[in-house]
Amino acid sequence: DVKVTQSSRYLVKRTGEKVFLECVQDMDHENMFWYRQDPGLGLRLIYFSYDVKMKEKGDIPEGYSVSREKKERFSLILESASTNQTSMYLCASSLPQGLYGYTFGSGTRLTVV
Amino acid sequence: TQLLEQSPQFLSIQEGENLTVYCNSSSVFSSLQWYRQEPGEGPVLLVTVVTGGEVKKLKRLTFQFGDARKDSSLHITAAQPGDTGLYLCAGARGANSKLTFGKGITLSVRP
Repeated sequence: DVKVTQSSRYLVKRTGEKVFLECVQDMDHENMFWYRQDPGLGLRLIYFSYDVKMKEKGDIPEGYSVSREKKERFSLILESASTNQTSMYLCASSLPQGLYGYTFGSGTRLTVV
Repeated sequence: TQLLEQSPQFLSIQEGENLTVYCNSSSVFSSLQWYRQEPGEGPVLLVTVVTGGEVKKLKRLTFQFGDARKDSSLHITAAQPGDTGLYLCAGARGANSKLTFGKGITLSVRP
């Protein structure tokens, strides 16, 4: 059963902490994405990657960074967590051809206190 | 500016009713996808439409891509409580372009 696995379903972190969200896919997909999902705002793209060691900023990259050292793993880093980064974070992967759609992980509900 | 507008935003219906929801844009998309997301889970792809005027059926769900490839509709026949969820449309504007998502339609089907 092919899938995208996010390391944590729920996380609670303190303001100012450095936070790592891990995402691993087993489908050999080239493309990987990080979104955050907030009520009334929908899915917003934070960063994406079309290849190993490659990264591109999405629509809301401020306060985040990413790492893709291996094809199957895409990490999202909150350099200094703030309360406005409390959100549901979704990782996705896809083939280069958009027709096959994205496969999403189950999400990480992050609360920053 | 939201490139994909979904309507209605919320819909609550009785089991057995039919419904149609919409995904509209002023932009042309090379393909459009519909996803369903259940609470606490990630979105799951339902269908991809690529040809203007295309109609695809998935059991009781019927998806249509507009002739001009700017809009799409989802029709559910005889809705069931298991259809409850957030329905997202997403458009692609090129071969390897990232998807643009609408904000979604929250559907609740009451038993």
